[in-house]
Amino acid sequence: DAGITQSPRHKVTETGTPVTLRCHQTENHRYMYWYRQDPGHGLRLIHYSYGVKDTDKGEVSDGYSVSRSKTEDFLLTLESATSSQTSVYFCAVSGDSPLHFGNGTRLTVT
Amino acid sequence: GDSVTQMEGPVTLSEEAFLTINCTYTATGYPSLFWYVQYPGEGLQLLLKATKADDKGSNKGFEATYRKETTSFHLEKGSVQVSDSAVYFCALSDQQAGTALIFGKGTTLSVSS
Repeated sequence: DAGITQSPRHKVTETGTPVTLRCHQTENHRYMYWYRQDPGHGLRLIHYSYGVKDTDKGEVSDGYSVSRSKTEDFLLTLESATSSQTSVYFCAVSGDSPLHFGNGTRLTVT
Repeated sequence: GDSVTQMEGPVTLSEEAFLTINCTYTATGYPSLFWYVQYPGEGLQLLLKATKADDKGSNKGFEATYRKETTSFHLEKGSVQVSDSAVYFCALSDQQAGTALIFGKGTTLSVSS
């Protein structure tokens, strides 16, 4: 698993509440990514980071923000969760291709 | 923009049958191509890759050849096993987002004994 830990693994939250998902890596990879997986859509890139404090938007970034204050941690925040953000969220890392994925966080917004 | 199209599933096969999962891509440059596999409850694992035209990636009996003329990267296996039941994703390197990948929608394979 390339030393990737996602937390929490499961979360249920209510609409309108803030939620933060954490991705922690132990192998000092430069690039880190957040994807969401939804039936019929495959995986879609939310945000990515190419270094500490260096982040950029992906395909489906609306409603999400990220932060990377340390090489090993990449946080994904839903400022005000909506039901459309119910999904499985995957963190991935890459020093060079290919990507290595964590085991995912299943988020349910009720 | 760049994109990946893979065959709709589910694909249902008997053990020892031949498997083909079609994947085609659209890209402006010369991307690398990948197949990932996802077992239930797990993250994605790299199955194989090819970085240039006519390269063949192979792993665990699976193969795929990078065909630039047909913009395809079809996944094949000569004899599937029950343990191959999973979701398979075709992907290409996103040349505008670091080393990110653009994924197809995934194809579910179910193999029965």
